[in-house]
Amino acid sequence: ETGVTQSPTHLIKTRGQQVTLRCSSQSGHNTVSWYQQALGQGPQFIFQYYREEENGRGNFPPRFSGLQFPNYSSELNVNALELDDSALYLCASSPYGQPQHFGDGTRLSIL
Amino acid sequence: AQSVAQPEDQVNVAEGNPLTVKCTYSVSGNPYLFWYVQYPNRGLQFLLKYITGDNLVKGSYGFEAEFNKSQTSFHLKKPSALVSDSALYFCAVSPPRGSGNTGKLIFGQGTTLQVKP
Repeated sequence: ETGVTQSPTHLIKTRGQQVTLRCSSQSGHNTVSWYQQALGQGPQFIFQYYREEENGRGNFPPRFSGLQFPNYSSELNVNALELDDSALYLCASSPYGQPQHFGDGTRLSIL
Repeated sequence: AQSVAQPEDQVNVAEGNPLTVKCTYSVSGNPYLFWYVQYPNRGLQFLLKYITGDNLVKGSYGFEAEFNKSQTSFHLKKPSALVSDSALYFCAVSPPRGSGNTGKLIFGQGTTLQVKP
């Protein structure tokens, strides 16, 4: 049990829709990172937030955006959903520079 | 380009035997190295890390990993495998700070470990 909780656990959307995924980080962790894990693949870094500011971004288009709140919880927003966005989305939190602790993820399916 | 390779899709071992899951990386400088484990329908669970110091790192559940700088490898090991160790294992690197990197993790493709009774 890492203390990182994600909601919802599963979600089904259609192409073109928008989705918001939520993450509650472990107490005391001021850094949140989001990863996309496609089926059979390793997780791919989307972006990281540190003290409410984006602190690094992977190779994902601008329709992937995020927020971090004062309590360090976070949201991942994806606009104009595409079939290839179907994946497990993982949130990880940590004190800055420390090993990341992952939630169980949100399974997003695009029809 | 920064990358992590796990050359084996699957490793099969009998319970009680030693296990090794291989990982090599291509990252300049002195990266941080990690192993994570993923059970079905779960997130990733941290096992161990190498930052600096002794090349043999001990982690959770009896796992250890050996860092070899000349071979740019970070193989995961356990002296005696358990059936409950069966899971998907990921090697990850975090590029060194001060190179514009922020602690992001670069993962390998994963290796499925199957331990048979």
